[in-house]
Amino acid sequence: AQKITQTQPGMFVQEKEAVTLDCTYDTSDPSYGLFWYKQPSSGEMIFLIYQGSYDQQNATEGRYSLNFQKARKSANLVISASQLGDSAMYFCAMREANTGFQKLVFGTGTRLLVSP
Amino acid sequence: EAGVAQSPRYKIIEKRQSVAFWCNPISGHATLYWYQQILGQGPKLLIQFQNNGVVDDSQLPKDRFSAERLKGVDSTLKIQPAKLEDSAVYLCASSLRVGTSGWNEQFFGPGTRLTVL
Repeated sequence: AQKITQTQPGMFVQEKEAVTLDCTYDTSDPSYGLFWYKQPSSGEMIFLIYQGSYDQQNATEGRYSLNFQKARKSANLVISASQLGDSAMYFCAMREANTGFQKLVFGTGTRLLVSP
Repeated sequence: EAGVAQSPRYKIIEKRQSVAFWCNPISGHATLYWYQQILGQGPKLLIQFQNNGVVDDSQLPKDRFSAERLKGVDSTLKIQPAKLEDSAVYLCASSLRVGTSGWNEQFFGPGTRLTVL
């Protein structure tokens, strides 16, 4: 079964608007972490934001926020005030505590295109 | 601070040939990861080292893939012999020493794009 599901292959947004990238996950481990990474065309993976399963508040990092709905097992990334430089692939990933040693499982990604 | 270095950036080989990729992690990072990213997919962990010991190689095709991390610093990933389905980007990442709880950010290199003809 897919551990991480990203159902949006591609998303379009206009500059300065907000966009939500969807991510749902599947785990029976009560302790887990959820991550979002950005992959520009240059190829490297850039860490954006982290949410722990026991965190009471949604994580926020600058223009990035994570809409964490534990009961629905969703961890959507919200990018506010989109910029042209936000055009990239975005990956959701999960780490389960019972796998130990920081193993990350990634989704298939969403390609975001920001237009002027 | 220098990031994770990888070489080569691109490699084209024919099937059944051998290939090796090199990774130099961020100084002081005890944990090193090799990921395979096939086009249209997210990265998949192949092998994880803590210092020079392997902590997870459950998804490494051991009949053709091998990896080593001598002296707990640089690492080499080898494919011998290569198959068409090995065409992918191979990403190296590193992080501070990790245990079984908490987490440390993984820093990724630019990757090596392998094409097998």
